Amino acid sequence: AQSVTQLGSHVSVSEGALVLLRCNYSSSVPPYLFWYVQYPNQGLQLLLKYTSAATLVKGINGFEAEFKKSETSFHLTKPSAHMSDAAEYFCAAGMDTGRRALTFGSGTRLQVQP
Amino acid sequence: DTAVSQTPKYLVTQMGNDKSIKCEQNLGHDTMYWYKQDSKKFLKIMFSYNNKELIINETVPNRFSPKSPDKAHLNLHINSLELGDSAVYFCASSPKGGGPNYGYTFGSGTRLTVV
Repeated sequence: AQSVTQLGSHVSVSEGALVLLRCNYSSSVPPYLFWYVQYPNQGLQLLLKYTSAATLVKGINGFEAEFKKSETSFHLTKPSAHMSDAAEYFCAAGMDTGRRALTFGSGTRLQVQP
Repeated sequence: DTAVSQTPKYLVTQMGNDKSIKCEQNLGHDTMYWYKQDSKKFLKIMFSYNNKELIINETVPNRFSPKSPDKAHLNLHINSLELGDSAVYFCASSPKGGGPNYGYTFGSGTRLTVV
């Protein structure tokens, strides 16, 4: 079965610093990969997605992620953190075969210090 | 215009009661989902419907019964509520048979608290 692992349940950065949130997937076939953001008391909003076109994917709010098949990773980065980036971030994976539903990682809470 | 709307947003109820959560999407999507987010923020698929047909039914107590009257609506009825049912329930939708490459659009969630 496919699984998604997010290393680090909490990440704290200073405003203006690099943001790096880690995501690894386990699948023999590269899945479709997504990053979602959840602000307090809100639903999940799609940040970006990888669908086998380009390995470097740009999303909203200055975020981007790079798909690395050799490392089975899809880490999320942002060059300069802003206070408004503080939220919960979820990595998710989906396959076209079998159970066609997204599997989510356990989430990473990003804290941005002034 | 709200794309995926859930009602109610908050639900506090006593153990043993029966309650329903409603979900509607106006995106023209044909596949809808219920996810449960527990206190540790972990998201787990519960059910999925495609054009009113149940296509995913995870290991969920049969006290939970989804119903899809049409492809724009997916409701969740829960019988005999238990303390462990307390969670945030998210509805989501996706187009074109739920192909994962399209991603999902989520509602804002229903926070269920069983006391």
